[in-house]
Amino acid sequence: EVQLVESGGGLVKPGGSLRLSCAASGFTFSSYSMNWVRQAPGKGLEWVSSISSSSSYIYYADSVKGRFTISRDNAKNSLYLQMNSLRAEDTAVYYCARDRPSDPWGQGTLVTVSS
Amino acid sequence: QPVLTQSSSASASLGSSVKLTCTLSSGHSSYIIAWHQQQPGKAPRYLMKLEGSGSYNKGSGVPDRFSGSSSGADRYLTISNLQSEDEADYYCETWDSNVGVFGGGTKLTVL
Repeated sequence: EVQLVESGGGLVKPGGSLRLSCAASGFTFSSYSMNWVRQAPGKGLEWVSSISSSSSYIYYADSVKGRFTISRDNAKNSLYLQMNSLRAEDTAVYYCARDRPSDPWGQGTLVTVSS
Repeated sequence: QPVLTQSSSASASLGSSVKLTCTLSSGHSSYIIAWHQQQPGKAPRYLMKLEGSGSYNKGSGVPDRFSGSSSGADRYLTISNLQSEDEADYYCETWDSNVGVFGGGTKLTVL
């Protein structure tokens, strides 16, 4: 079964940092691009970042560019999102998803930025 | 970069059919999109990929009641024989040079 499991969310103060992880299983992780998508409370989906299968190509939404860093470890079947200089507006559930179109999705991990 | 426009809400009766629309912005009418369903309190679920020709490919386990079609810049998701579990938010997604774009979502209420 293809599965994505996020972890690493939590409560962090404005200006703080957090690293999210996404563990993949059930497919050849190294063959697929991966994405992070977030959803603020009561809001719609927002694409955050994408990384190609070999990490050669990386893309970010303007809202996170310069603050977030996407990476992957194909040997560990894992995707990461390093989030620095966090703001209140970064509060959201963060999902990892495979490829384009996004399929499947993980269950999400909640990040709350508040003092 | 394309913009995807969806109505904020829709409603239909149990057992009836409903057609949801996702409209691509000017200059992007040929783009492929995907439809996703998000039931209350759950993660999104991929439903299908839909081309401008109207050809679509559904995800694993997606019921036959779900189908897709296209007309110009409009991409449609039709749900037949509505069930209570179809009450959810529906999002369309596209991408442009690997930059992702989502529509604002349509909240479907099953009456």
